[in-house]
Amino acid sequence: DGGITQSPKYLFRKEGQNVTLSCEQNLNHDAMYWYRQDPGQGLRLIYYSQIVNDFQKGDIAEGYSVSREKKESFPLTVTSAQKNPTAFYLCASSIPRVGTPGELFFGEGSRLTVL
Amino acid sequence: DQQVKQNSPSLSVQEGRISILNCDYTNSMFDYFLWYKKYPAEGPTFLISISSIKDKNEDGRFTVFLNKSAKHLSLHIVPSQPGDSAVYFCAATETNDMRFGAGTRLTVKP
Repeated sequence: DGGITQSPKYLFRKEGQNVTLSCEQNLNHDAMYWYRQDPGQGLRLIYYSQIVNDFQKGDIAEGYSVSREKKESFPLTVTSAQKNPTAFYLCASSIPRVGTPGELFFGEGSRLTVL
Repeated sequence: DQQVKQNSPSLSVQEGRISILNCDYTNSMFDYFLWYKKYPAEGPTFLISISSIKDKNEDGRFTVFLNKSAKHLSLHIVPSQPGDSAVYFCAATETNDMRFGAGTRLTVKP
């Protein structure tokens, strides 16, 4: 059945290490997104991609990097430059409406903890 | 700059009564509004949406109202059920991204 798969569900990282969170979708959606959730702050947009080989920074892109080599995949790398990486990360996809995004379909999330 | 605000972090209602969740926004260019529901350790799931050309959209027990002049929308759940207990996020969009509020935790007591 179709959906969005994020892995790993839980990840622990030592300070100074880069980690990559995986996001795969089989919904044939063109657009994919990465959000970060912190307590009391809702979801904040990190990066988004409307088509393969193209992506844009969101509100809090510093310390993160992404790639979109395949339509189905949109991995997020949390680099050592991210000052406060401990958070719950959510990947989403959508079929863009003309000019604006449609509803987002979310994965189950990845919780990253920096030790 | 938080463009979408949910000022009530939590709400508790009795089963069978109405739940009203509120959301305010600052960007008058937003043209599409959505509500998402989220259970712990899961991703949000889409609940209901409304276009800026409408002022009401209804889907079963869920109704969303939009007041553009006040830049305010609300989600009504009638009747509320214990299974509705979750965090509800309001979202708004105008271009290629979507802005979310901080969420309201709804607890429906049996």
